[in-house]
Amino acid sequence: DVKVTQSSRYLVKRTGEKVFLECVQDMDHENMFWYRQDPGLGLRLIYFSYDVKMKEKGDIPEGYSVSREKKERFSLILESASTNQTSMYLCASINLPYGYTFGSGTRLTVV
Amino acid sequence: AQSVTQPDIHITVSEGASLELRCNYSYGATPYLFWYVQSPGQGLQLLLKYFSGDTLVQGIKGFEAEFKRSQSSFNLRKPSVHWSDAAEYFCAVGPTGTASKLTFGTGTRLQVTL
Repeated sequence: DVKVTQSSRYLVKRTGEKVFLECVQDMDHENMFWYRQDPGLGLRLIYFSYDVKMKEKGDIPEGYSVSREKKERFSLILESASTNQTSMYLCASINLPYGYTFGSGTRLTVV
Repeated sequence: AQSVTQPDIHITVSEGASLELRCNYSYGATPYLFWYVQSPGQGLQLLLKYFSGDTLVQGIKGFEAEFKRSQSSFNLRKPSVHWSDAAEYFCAVGPTGTASKLTFGTGTRLQVTL
């Protein structure tokens, strides 16, 4: 089975901190995604990557950046964390036609 | 642009009752369609998928879904709900673009009463 691993389940950070969320997949997938999930809003795409060093903005990229230096690792960076970035963050990789495989999520609280 | 509508935000059913969760999509080509389930505090788990062939697809945990092209729907069903089915359910459609993005609905939260 494909494994997508997010390094932290829970994080608490202070406003203004630079935050790194890490995601690793073990199946050599080219395409990886970062979503945030908020009640009533579903999943919203932040950034995605279809190859090493390639990235594209999703629907809500403001305040975020990403890094993909190796195929298996896709990092989400909050340049200066703010309270409105408190959310559940989900990483996924895709293997059509089987769909996305998601990580367990990182619940980030910014205080 | 593609979109997914899950018209029911919250559904409550009694244990043992049947369940149908609605999903309507808008997509310019033959879609891939997915249903995911999310238990509290967890990531999303794939329940089932459709990409061609038989329009009635079987998934895990006794779930099934039927693709109806004429209605642009992909409703999820289960004949008899168990208390452990209480979770949030997401419908998704795709792929689009270079990275084969999926578009998700806003989810339906299922509550099961005993």
